[in-house]
Amino acid sequence: SQTIHQWPATLVQPVGSPLSLECTVEGTSNPNLYWYRQAAGRGLQLLFYSVGIGQISSEVPQNLSASRPQDRQFILSSKKLLLSDSGFYLCAWSVGGSVVQPQHFGDGTRLSIL
Amino acid sequence: QKEVEQDPGPLSVPEGAIVSLNCTYSNSAFQYFMWYRQYSRKGPELLMYTYSSGNKEDGRFTAQVDKSSKYISLFIRDSQPSDSATYLCAMSDGTASKLTFGTGTRLQVTL
Repeated sequence: SQTIHQWPATLVQPVGSPLSLECTVEGTSNPNLYWYRQAAGRGLQLLFYSVGIGQISSEVPQNLSASRPQDRQFILSSKKLLLSDSGFYLCAWSVGGSVVQPQHFGDGTRLSIL
Repeated sequence: QKEVEQDPGPLSVPEGAIVSLNCTYSNSAFQYFMWYRQYSRKGPELLMYTYSSGNKEDGRFTAQVDKSSKYISLFIRDSQPSDSATYLCAMSDGTASKLTFGTGTRLQVTL
C-alpha cells in the first residue's frame, strides 16, 4: 500500500531563517505531488504541484519554492522566512496521468515563525 | 464569490443522529467530487470520491451529487463521537488533477 511521510511535524523558526520541509511517498511510481498551506477558516491553498522530476508548477507568487529531486520526493523551501509564512503545510500525492484521481495527504507540518 | 461554499459550522449533533453536510459551487465544469475528513492536527483523509451526478454509498457514509443545482452532500448515518472532525469537500473540472476545496465544516457528535 502507499504511504506518505512528512517531517517535521512541528517547527518553530525565527524570521529571516531558511526553511526546508520534506515529503516522501512510498509504494507508487511517478505520482503527482502537491504542497498546500491551510489557514484557519480559509481552506487549503495549493502552493505547488509536480507531475514529474524537475517539473514544478507554482500556483501563488510568494516567498517559497519547491523542488522534486527524485520521483517520490518533494521539498518545500524558503531562503528567508516571513511572519506571514506561518501556517499548516500539507503534502499530498495522487496517481499520475490524465484522469483526475483523489489526493492523499500527509499529516502536515505546523510552522510557527517568531 | 468563492468557487466552493461550505458552512463552517460548528455543527453539533447527538450520537446516533443522521448528519447532513453540504457544499455549493459555482463552476459548472466541476465533475469530480470528493469528501475528506480531517481530525485536529492531522492531514485530510479521503472518505468518498464520485464522478458526475448521483449517489454513492460506503458503510455509514453516502455522497450525493446534484450537478443541476451545483450542490453536493455527505450523509453520515448513526453518527459516532469518533466522527467529530472537520469535513472538507473538494472538486475538480478534470484539468491537471487540481482540486478546489471548501473551507470545511466542523462536526461535533456528543454522547
